[in-house]
Amino acid sequence: GAVVSQHPSRVICKSGTSVKIECRSLDFQATTMFWYRQFPKQSLMLMATSNEGSKATYEQGVEKDKFLINHASLTLSTLTVTSAHPEDSSFYICSAKAGTGLETQYFGPGTRLLVL
Amino acid sequence: GENVEQHPSTLSVQEGDSAVIKCTYSDSASNYFPWYKQELGKGPQLIIDIRSNVGEKKDQRIAVTLNKTAKHFSLHITETQPEDSAVYFCAASKGGSYIPTFGRGTSLIVHP
Repeated sequence: GAVVSQHPSRVICKSGTSVKIECRSLDFQATTMFWYRQFPKQSLMLMATSNEGSKATYEQGVEKDKFLINHASLTLSTLTVTSAHPEDSSFYICSAKAGTGLETQYFGPGTRLLVL
Repeated sequence: GENVEQHPSTLSVQEGDSAVIKCTYSDSASNYFPWYKQELGKGPQLIIDIRSNVGEKKDQRIAVTLNKTAKHFSLHITETQPEDSAVYFCAASKGGSYIPTFGRGTSLIVHP
């Protein structure tokens, strides 16, 4: 199957700082990428959908000024958590798919964010 | 919008037994149903998927069945092994720009 990578896998930061998480599709061009947040023992909560070259579409309740998403190329999307606070600590997972049809969605390995 | 229900939330079996996880969906237009396995601290990995033009698909010890009339689909794992222990998620999608809807997950524990 297709490979999606995320970097970093784990990050610890101080409250008030910003953190950038990268998501890359390694062997296919991802026209659509998704960003999810997952709390312990819970399901995946979709935060936003991004299409290459256009603005991300955020889910209701997700602050777009706090969670900045950039999908500048067909293989890279970034999520920046701005002015992070302890309540932003979570497991962030990206996924990617090659088109807007029934193409399979492939997930990255996730990034564990801890805000002190 | 689509609503996906997944049961059970926890499933405990002995090694060698079979495990079945069931999902129901609400939108009859959904036509793609993937299953993901998520191990602790990792991202979900696609293990099998089925499209609405077939009723069953099998890959070694894993099979998925789909009943479009009843709007439910199931994951079957035979001869379970301890390494099958993980959280399994089902999802339903109707393609296009529609975003897949995930179930709440099933924690499968296989006891050696």
